[in-house]
Amino acid sequence: AQRVTQPEKLLSVFKGAPVELKCNYSYSGSPELFWYVQYSRQRLQLLLRHISRESIKGFTADLNKGETSFHLKKPFAQEEDSAMYYCALEMDSSYKLIFGSGTRLLVRP
Amino acid sequence: GAGVSQTPSNKVTEKGKYVELRCDPISGHTALYWYRQSLGQGPEFLIYFQGTGAADDSGLPNDRFFAVRPEGSVSTLKIQRTERGDSAVYLCASSSDGYNEQYFGPGTRLTVT
Repeated sequence: AQRVTQPEKLLSVFKGAPVELKCNYSYSGSPELFWYVQYSRQRLQLLLRHISRESIKGFTADLNKGETSFHLKKPFAQEEDSAMYYCALEMDSSYKLIFGSGTRLLVRP
Repeated sequence: GAGVSQTPSNKVTEKGKYVELRCDPISGHTALYWYRQSLGQGPEFLIYFQGTGAADDSGLPNDRFFAVRPEGSVSTLKIQRTERGDSAVYLCASSSDGYNEQYFGPGTRLTVT
Protein backbone atom coordinates (compact mmCIF):
# COMPACT_ATOMS: atom_id res chain seq x y z
CA ALA A 1 0.00 0.00 0.00
CA GLN A 2 1.08 3.56 -0.60
CA ARG A 3 2.56 5.16 2.45
CA VAL A 4 4.50 8.23 3.55
CA THR A 5 6.74 7.92 6.58
CA GLN A 6 8.13 10.77 8.63
CA PRO A 7 10.19 9.02 11.30
CA GLU A 8 10.69 12.01 13.60
CA LYS A 9 7.77 13.45 15.53
CA LEU A 10 9.92 16.26 16.89
CA LEU A 11 13.12 17.83 15.67
CA SER A 12 14.76 20.46 17.85
CA VAL A 13 17.68 22.54 16.60
CA PHE A 14 19.35 25.80 17.48
CA LYS A 15 19.03 28.89 15.33
CA GLY A 16 21.61 28.84 12.57
CA ALA A 17 22.01 25.07 12.59
CA PRO A 18 21.28 22.95 9.52
CA VAL A 19 17.94 21.18 9.36
CA GLU A 20 16.89 17.97 7.63
CA LEU A 21 13.36 16.66 7.98
CA LYS A 22 13.12 13.11 6.71
CA CYS A 23 10.44 11.73 4.45
CA ASN A 24 10.29 8.29 2.87
CA TYR A 25 7.53 6.97 0.67
CA SER A 26 6.42 3.64 -0.68
CA TYR A 27 4.94 3.74 -4.17
CA SER A 28 6.02 1.96 -7.31
CA GLY A 29 4.50 4.35 -9.84
CA SER A 30 5.30 7.96 -10.73
CA PRO A 31 5.08 9.95 -7.51
CA GLU A 32 4.76 13.63 -7.04
CA LEU A 33 6.01 14.77 -3.66
CA PHE A 34 5.13 17.82 -1.63
CA TRP A 35 6.03 19.46 1.62
CA TYR A 36 3.24 21.26 3.48
CA VAL A 37 3.78 23.48 6.52
CA GLN A 38 1.47 24.59 9.31
CA TYR A 39 2.62 27.50 11.44
CA SER A 40 1.08 28.05 14.85
CA ARG A 41 -2.60 29.00 14.57
CA GLN A 42 -2.43 29.08 10.77
CA ARG A 43 -3.80 26.79 8.14
CA LEU A 44 -1.92 24.13 6.26
CA GLN A 45 -0.10 25.57 3.25
CA LEU A 46 2.11 24.30 0.48
CA LEU A 47 5.82 24.87 1.05
CA LEU A 48 7.24 23.23 -2.05
CA ARG A 49 6.72 20.48 -4.61
CA HIS A 50 9.44 18.48 -6.23
CA ILE A 51 8.51 19.19 -9.85
CA SER A 52 8.96 22.93 -9.42
CA ARG A 53 12.50 22.51 -8.09
CA GLU A 54 12.12 25.79 -6.22
CA SER A 55 13.74 26.92 -3.03
CA ILE A 56 11.13 28.40 -0.72
CA LYS A 57 12.16 30.27 2.43
CA GLY A 58 15.58 28.69 2.02
CA PHE A 59 14.18 25.14 2.04
CA THR A 60 14.96 22.61 -0.66
CA ALA A 61 13.99 19.00 -1.20
CA ASP A 62 15.30 16.50 -3.72
CA LEU A 63 13.37 13.47 -4.85
CA ASN A 64 15.57 10.37 -4.62
CA LYS A 65 13.70 7.58 -6.37
CA GLY A 66 16.39 5.03 -5.55
CA GLU A 67 16.01 5.62 -1.82
CA THR A 68 12.33 6.61 -2.16
CA SER A 69 13.03 9.71 -0.12
CA PHE A 70 12.15 13.39 -0.27
CA HIS A 71 13.97 14.95 2.65
CA LEU A 72 13.50 18.65 3.39
CA LYS A 73 16.65 20.63 4.07
CA LYS A 74 17.69 24.10 5.11
CA PRO A 75 21.30 25.09 5.76
CA PHE A 76 20.60 27.65 8.51
CA ALA A 77 17.42 27.35 10.55
CA GLN A 78 15.56 30.44 11.72
CA GLU A 79 13.22 30.75 14.69
CA GLU A 80 10.33 31.54 12.35
CA ASP A 81 10.79 28.10 10.77
CA SER A 82 9.29 26.53 13.88
CA ALA A 83 6.17 24.76 12.66
CA MET A 84 4.61 21.42 11.81
CA TYR A 85 5.84 19.96 8.53
CA TYR A 86 4.01 17.32 6.52
CA CYS A 87 5.35 15.37 3.59
CA ALA A 88 2.71 14.30 1.04
CA LEU A 89 2.57 11.96 -1.93
CA GLU A 90 0.37 12.28 -5.00
CA MET A 91 0.16 9.14 -7.11
CA ASP A 92 0.25 9.42 -10.90
CA SER A 93 -1.29 12.90 -10.91
CA SER A 94 -4.34 11.51 -9.16
CA TYR A 95 -4.94 14.71 -7.10
CA LYS A 96 -5.36 12.59 -3.96
CA LEU A 97 -2.70 13.43 -1.38
CA ILE A 98 -1.35 10.90 1.09
CA PHE A 99 0.21 12.63 4.06
CA GLY A 100 2.81 11.54 6.53
CA SER A 101 2.17 11.97 10.24
CA GLY A 102 4.22 15.14 10.41
CA THR A 103 7.35 16.42 12.12
CA ARG A 104 7.31 19.32 14.53
CA LEU A 105 10.36 21.51 14.00
CA LEU A 106 11.41 23.62 16.95
CA VAL A 107 14.13 26.17 16.35
CA ARG A 108 15.59 27.42 19.60
CA PRO A 109 17.21 30.87 19.93
CA GLY B 1 -8.60 37.45 -1.84
CA ALA B 2 -10.65 35.27 0.46
CA GLY B 3 -9.32 31.83 1.12
CA VAL B 4 -11.17 28.62 1.82
CA SER B 5 -13.56 29.03 4.73
CA GLN B 6 -15.14 26.37 6.91
CA THR B 7 -18.00 26.55 9.37
CA PRO B 8 -18.37 25.94 12.18
CA SER B 9 -14.84 26.19 13.51
CA ASN B 10 -15.77 23.92 16.40
CA LYS B 11 -18.61 21.47 16.80
CA VAL B 12 -19.42 19.42 19.88
CA THR B 13 -22.11 16.81 19.51
CA GLU B 14 -23.40 13.79 21.33
CA LYS B 15 -22.85 10.27 20.15
CA GLY B 16 -25.58 9.23 17.76
CA LYS B 17 -26.39 12.73 16.52
CA TYR B 18 -26.21 14.03 12.95
CA VAL B 19 -23.80 16.81 11.97
CA GLU B 20 -23.12 18.92 8.90
CA LEU B 21 -19.84 20.63 8.17
CA ARG B 22 -19.65 23.33 5.55
CA CYS B 23 -16.87 24.36 3.19
CA ASP B 24 -16.71 27.49 1.02
CA PRO B 25 -13.93 27.08 -1.54
CA ILE B 26 -11.99 29.83 -3.25
CA SER B 27 -14.20 31.42 -5.89
CA GLY B 28 -13.75 29.76 -9.27
CA HIS B 29 -12.03 26.66 -7.94
CA THR B 30 -13.60 23.62 -9.55
CA ALA B 31 -11.87 21.01 -7.42
CA LEU B 32 -12.75 20.50 -3.76
CA TYR B 33 -11.38 17.99 -1.29
CA TRP B 34 -12.27 16.84 2.20
CA TYR B 35 -9.68 15.41 4.59
CA ARG B 36 -9.86 14.21 8.16
CA GLN B 37 -7.02 14.75 10.61
CA SER B 38 -6.95 12.76 13.81
CA LEU B 39 -4.75 13.77 16.73
CA GLY B 40 -1.09 13.21 16.00
CA GLN B 41 -1.69 12.22 12.40
CA GLY B 42 -1.49 13.86 9.01
CA PRO B 43 -4.60 14.65 7.00
CA GLU B 44 -6.36 11.62 5.53
CA PHE B 45 -8.18 11.91 2.20
CA LEU B 46 -11.95 11.45 2.31
CA ILE B 47 -13.51 12.67 -0.96
CA TYR B 48 -12.76 14.73 -4.06
CA PHE B 49 -15.23 16.76 -6.11
CA GLN B 50 -14.68 18.05 -9.61
CA GLY B 51 -17.52 20.46 -10.16
CA THR B 52 -20.73 19.06 -8.74
CA GLY B 53 -19.80 15.40 -8.90
CA ALA B 54 -17.83 13.29 -6.49
CA ALA B 55 -14.95 12.07 -8.64
CA ASP B 56 -13.49 9.92 -5.89
CA ASP B 57 -15.15 9.05 -2.58
CA SER B 58 -12.88 6.13 -1.79
CA GLY B 59 -11.69 7.68 1.45
CA LEU B 60 -15.08 7.90 3.13
CA PRO B 61 -14.79 5.43 6.04
CA ASN B 62 -18.34 4.07 5.90
CA ASP B 63 -21.86 4.87 4.79
CA ARG B 64 -22.46 7.19 7.72
CA PHE B 65 -20.37 9.75 5.85
CA PHE B 66 -21.72 11.58 2.85
CA ALA B 67 -20.79 14.80 1.06
CA VAL B 68 -22.52 16.99 -1.49
CA ARG B 69 -21.65 19.93 -3.69
CA PRO B 70 -24.91 20.66 -5.50
CA GLU B 71 -23.95 23.84 -7.33
CA GLY B 72 -20.28 23.20 -7.78
CA SER B 73 -19.22 25.66 -5.11
CA VAL B 74 -20.10 25.17 -1.42
CA SER B 75 -19.79 21.63 -0.10
CA THR B 76 -21.32 19.99 2.94
CA LEU B 77 -19.91 16.95 4.68
CA LYS B 78 -22.64 15.05 6.50
CA ILE B 79 -22.08 12.52 9.25
CA GLN B 80 -24.94 10.40 10.54
CA ARG B 81 -25.10 8.57 13.87
CA THR B 82 -21.82 10.10 15.02
CA GLU B 83 -19.41 7.98 17.01
CA ARG B 84 -16.64 9.02 19.39
CA GLY B 85 -14.12 7.79 16.83
CA ASP B 86 -15.35 10.46 14.42
CA SER B 87 -13.76 13.13 16.61
CA ALA B 88 -11.12 14.87 14.51
CA VAL B 89 -10.37 18.03 12.58
CA TYR B 90 -12.11 17.99 9.22
CA LEU B 91 -10.21 19.92 6.57
CA CYS B 92 -11.46 21.20 3.27
CA ALA B 93 -9.23 22.24 0.37
CA SER B 94 -9.82 23.59 -3.10
CA SER B 95 -7.78 23.98 -6.25
CA SER B 96 -8.32 25.60 -9.61
CA ASP B 97 -8.46 22.14 -11.12
CA GLY B 98 -7.48 18.68 -10.01
CA TYR B 99 -3.81 19.20 -10.71
CA ASN B 100 -2.82 22.46 -9.12
CA GLU B 101 -1.97 23.49 -5.58
CA GLN B 102 -4.56 22.64 -2.98
CA TYR B 103 -5.46 25.53 -0.68
CA PHE B 104 -6.64 24.45 2.74
CA GLY B 105 -9.26 25.89 5.01
CA PRO B 106 -8.81 26.34 8.76
CA GLY B 107 -10.72 23.15 9.54
CA THR B 108 -13.67 22.20 11.72
CA ARG B 109 -12.83 20.52 14.99
CA LEU B 110 -15.51 17.92 15.66
CA THR B 111 -15.83 16.45 19.14
CA VAL B 112 -18.26 13.62 19.74
CA THR B 113 -19.05 13.09 23.42
